[in-house]
Amino acid sequence: EVQLLESGGGLVQPGGSLRLSCAASEFTFGRYAMSWLRQAPGKGLECVSTVSGSGGSSYYTDSVKGRFTISRDNSKNTLYLQMNSLRVEDTAIYYCAKLLAFSNPDAFDFWGQGTMVAVSS
Amino acid sequence: DIQMTQSPSTLSASVGDRVTITCRASQSISTWLAWYQQKPGTAPKLLIYKASSLRNGVPSRFSGTGSGTEFTLTISSLQPDDFATYYCQQYDSPSYGFGQGTKLEIK
Repeated sequence: EVQLLESGGGLVQPGGSLRLSCAASEFTFGRYAMSWLRQAPGKGLECVSTVSGSGGSSYYTDSVKGRFTISRDNSKNTLYLQMNSLRVEDTAIYYCAKLLAFSNPDAFDFWGQGTMVAVSS
Repeated sequence: DIQMTQSPSTLSASVGDRVTITCRASQSISTWLAWYQQKPGTAPKLLIYKASSLRNGVPSRFSGTGSGTEFTLTISSLQPDDFATYYCQQYDSPSYGFGQGTKLEIK
C-alpha cells in the first residue's frame, strides 16, 4: 500500500528555518501532484502548498508565500518543504498527502502520519 | 478564496442513528468536494470524493450528495467506529479550502 513518511519537524525559534521531508513508496511518485497540509493544535486543516508531478508548478497559501518553498526529487521519491522565517502561527502538525488522480486539484487519498513543527521562543 | 462552512459544529448521536452533516461553499464548486474522517492523533482519511463517489474500502453506510454549493454527508446507521471529526474539502481551486469540521460525539 501507499506509504508516506514525514520527517524534519521539531522546535524552532521565531525567525528560524526547518526542512520537512516526505518519503513516498508503493506508487509512481513522479506522476502525482503532492501537497503539504497542516493542522494547528485543536484546529482545522489547511493546505499549505502543492507541487505538480514534474515539480514545474506550485501553489502556496497566502500566509506562507515568500517564506516556504515546496520541491520534490522524483529520483528519490521524496517531497520537501523548506520553511524559512518561521512564525509562532506556523506551529502545527504538517502532513504530506498524495492526490487521488494525476490532475491537480483533486482529493487527497493518502496522508502521512504527520510531523510536528513548534515555533516558540 | 472559496469558503467552506460546515454544520453543525458538534453532533451528538447514538449507535444506530442516521446522521447528516452539511457543507456549503461560498460559490459553486460543481461536484469537486471530498469528505474526510479524522480520529484524535491520526491523519484524516478520505471517505468520499467528487461529492458522491465512495472510496474503495469505505463502508456503504457512508454516502454523499450535492452539487454547486450545498453538500451532505450521511451515515445511515452509526457504528462505534464512526465517532470522529468530519471535514469537507473543496478542490475546485488549488486553495483546497476545508470546512471547520463536525465533531460527532456519542450521546
